Amino acid sequence: DIQMTQSPSSLSASVGDRVTITCRASQSIGRYLNWYQQKPGKAPKLLIYAASSLQSGVPSRFGGSGSGTDFTLTISSLQPEDFATYYCQQSYSSPPNTFGQGTKLEIK
Amino acid sequence: QVQLLESGGGLVKPGESLRLSCEASGFTFSDYYMNWIRQAPGKGLEWVAYISSSGSAIYYADSVKGRFTLSRDNTKNSLYLQMNSLRAEDTAVYYCARKGAYSGYDTFDHWGQGTLVTVSS
Repeated sequence: DIQMTQSPSSLSASVGDRVTITCRASQSIGRYLNWYQQKPGKAPKLLIYAASSLQSGVPSRFGGSGSGTDFTLTISSLQPEDFATYYCQQSYSSPPNTFGQGTKLEIK
Repeated sequence: QVQLLESGGGLVKPGESLRLSCEASGFTFSDYYMNWIRQAPGKGLEWVAYISSSGSAIYYADSVKGRFTLSRDNTKNSLYLQMNSLRAEDTAVYYCARKGAYSGYDTFDHWGQGTLVTVSS
């Protein structure tokens, strides 16, 4: 199975900051990498697919990059509603569809 | 709009069974692969199982293989997860999620609100 490792596990930042979250795959997955946002008590929401494509309706301050084994999610200017937990997920090899362990983004 | 509504969660004892349901609306259910994904309290996301659009292909995570059975009824736009021999480690919120493909890249593009399963004596 492909293992997905996110860093950091948690992150404190302020409104307006630029934030980057990293996801590393245990083997090359091309661009088969998705990012999700989850707020407390809510279901995850798809933000980015194919490493860098923005899902419809997602603000342009969210961006994704990378290919192979190393990927990043960047939020260019944090907004109050962006404080949440973010997960990466590989869709290169399934089953199983594996997720990273999550990165909790908190207000500083 | 796409809606997925899970039901059937609750409190059960170890070794008991539970059946979860997911009712879909707002899209042609029979065209889509469907999944169950769970999240233990305070933990991350774990894919549990998926079923093809026709129901002919079903896959399970190793952690539930042999205990859980996934099925669907396309005439009722519904997905089911029969969970037997439940263990404490099965305690989680269970989400129903649609597999959406975008330019050949698979995603979980729509999720239900989740249903909580608690396994405790």
